[in-house]
Amino acid sequence: QSALTQPPSASGSPGQSVTISCTGTSSDVGGYNYVSWYQKHPGKAPRLMIYEVNKRPSGVPDRFSGSKSGTSASLAITGLQAEDEADYYCQSHDSSLSDYVFGTGTKVTVL
Amino acid sequence: QVQLQESGLGLVKTSETLSLTCGVSGYSISSGFFWGWIRQPPGKGLEWLGSIYNSGTTYYNPSLNSRVTISVDTSKNRFSLNLTSLSAADTAVYYCVRDRWASYDFWGPGRLVTVSS
Repeated sequence: QSALTQPPSASGSPGQSVTISCTGTSSDVGGYNYVSWYQKHPGKAPRLMIYEVNKRPSGVPDRFSGSKSGTSASLAITGLQAEDEADYYCQSHDSSLSDYVFGTGTKVTVL
Repeated sequence: QVQLQESGLGLVKTSETLSLTCGVSGYSISSGFFWGWIRQPPGKGLEWLGSIYNSGTTYYNPSLNSRVTISVDTSKNRFSLNLTSLSAADTAVYYCVRDRWASYDFWGPGRLVTVSS
């Protein structure tokens, strides 16, 4: 089971935008439109922010958006707010292993 | 609102079996969706362990080499995780989740399980 690749960190000032990448293969990210993104604050359970590449669950601000191109997916956060400071994980289905794989995680810092 | 809550021992011995249960409220497991388990070792990332449907159909992480078993009790609206042959590497926070096929929309608060000799 190989984790999806994410940058370890990303940062931006309040009001700015940040984009996090998630790189996989044709067996996972590139093979299906089943990419999800989770936000995790320390000591709390993860929260689903994006599912099926670009869909937002009820209650998730529209400042969060997802996209995909080839074997890479991205999460964009616009109008950064202090509460957006957290770890973010991508996730996809891996058809080669009949498995679900997560990304390595990205720590977003609001400067 | 769907709510999940993990329960079970927080300290288990090396080579023994971890057993956790997830109680579900606000939604009947019999109504649908998969239900799963995910863990996060200290300082590390998330790992999917497996999922189960109300019929008992299961899907497991192949890297766990048959150490994991998930079962469901629809009469009590709960599902359970068993993980055998424990080692220190199994120390983690264990989360139960509602699995809507490749995304998890409701999570329990998590249960820290420490494996120690």
